[in-house]
Amino acid sequence: DGGITQSPKYLFRKEGQNVTLSCEQNLNHDAMYWYRQDPGQGLRLIYYSQIVNDFQKGDIAEGYSVSREKKESFPLTVTSAQKNPTAFYLCASSITAGEFESYEQYFGPGTRLTVT
Amino acid sequence: ILNVEQSPQSLHVQEGDSTNFTCSFPSSNFYALHWYRWETAKSPEALFVMTLNGDEKKKGRISATLNTKEGYSYLYIKGSQPEDSATYLCAFFYNQGGKLIFGQGTELSVKP
Repeated sequence: DGGITQSPKYLFRKEGQNVTLSCEQNLNHDAMYWYRQDPGQGLRLIYYSQIVNDFQKGDIAEGYSVSREKKESFPLTVTSAQKNPTAFYLCASSITAGEFESYEQYFGPGTRLTVT
Repeated sequence: ILNVEQSPQSLHVQEGDSTNFTCSFPSSNFYALHWYRWETAKSPEALFVMTLNGDEKKKGRISATLNTKEGYSYLYIKGSQPEDSATYLCAFFYNQGGKLIFGQGTELSVKP
């Protein structure tokens, strides 16, 4: 089955620790995205990658880092610099992406991160 | 700051009712408008990607219209069923943006 997997589903960390969320896709998509959802708000873009070895900051990149060493993988690290890391994190992918290209995005099941 | 507004925030209807909700977005620099359905405990799934003013798209009992000049899109559900219960998200893609701006969603609950 083609799709996007995120692990783990639930993650608990102590304040001050970095934590890495996994995102893998087998759809052969070029573009991948990380979103954050908070109660009462829309999905907000953290980082996105249009191609391997390249990525761009989204609207709320501060306190996060990513890498895109392989086409199928786009891990997100929540660093201790992120002031309010507790949230639901969604990973997505699309066939391709560009300034003038808009294709439907396919989403993973999400990871709920709780930092205490 | 680009803003996408959805209304209402939540909607409760009876099975068989038809319903509609609105997505408002900036009318300048428009490129595409996406609709997604997000059921509880599942991943968001794409319903429509719309690009042309006046565009109408349909998938079963769900349809959507687009007005890029005035900056709004309507999503209609005909004869709502309990399985239509979900949060419906719209997202705006603008020229030279390379990314989607999401609204906060409309939460639909359909009672049998």
